[in-house]
Amino acid sequence: NAGVTQTPKFQVLKTGQSMTLQCAQDMNHEYMSWYRQDPGMGLRLIHYSVGAGITDQGEVPNGYNVSRSTTEDFPLRLLSAAPSQTSVYFCASSPKDRGRLGTEAFFGQGTRLTVV
Amino acid sequence: GQQLNQSPQSMFIQEGEDVSMNCTSSSIFNTWLWYKQDPGEGPVLLIALYKAGELTSNGRLTAQFGITRKDSFLNISASIPSDVGIYFCAGQKAGSYQLTFGKGTKLSVIP
Repeated sequence: NAGVTQTPKFQVLKTGQSMTLQCAQDMNHEYMSWYRQDPGMGLRLIHYSVGAGITDQGEVPNGYNVSRSTTEDFPLRLLSAAPSQTSVYFCASSPKDRGRLGTEAFFGQGTRLTVV
Repeated sequence: GQQLNQSPQSMFIQEGEDVSMNCTSSSIFNTWLWYKQDPGEGPVLLIALYKAGELTSNGRLTAQFGITRKDSFLNISASIPSDVGIYFCAGQKAGSYQLTFGKGTKLSVIP
């Protein structure tokens, strides 16, 4: 059972480039989300999805797009990378348990992105 | 955005000591969670709390859901070197799917 798998683990981009961070989970979880982690800032929610075909914005969505065509995959797309998007990005998934959704999150190992 | 105030920001303790940290908010949360993050890894869930006043243990860890629903506490007893890491609290409001995270408490254990 792989859990939540993120690729790549490390990435360097030039300002203005676009790229997609991949996230896949094999636990059949309905809820998936993307966070960014900056020093001293904790984790901030970028986008989330409560099921295939449904996505919504979190706290810091600007500059990012997501899609959820399958239950398993939830890619995060950077449209035009900026130095302010240098961060560690975490994907997470959560099961629906006793009617709750999005509560007990399982995190991937993260993608460390540097924009120069 | 909504913030959770987590304290202390960092702690240096001797191996074997007990540790306490807390998380407060100006808003009510229906769920409180505590996560631990090891260097270079994603956070891992330690304890989930679903009822005001609830006290839940996981080995040497004990967490409580505050009566006011605006705070939560995590205690670690008899710390060991592998307790080193960053501990995050997170809250979920009623009717929301989103988790709001604190900024973390960085724990260092001196052997």
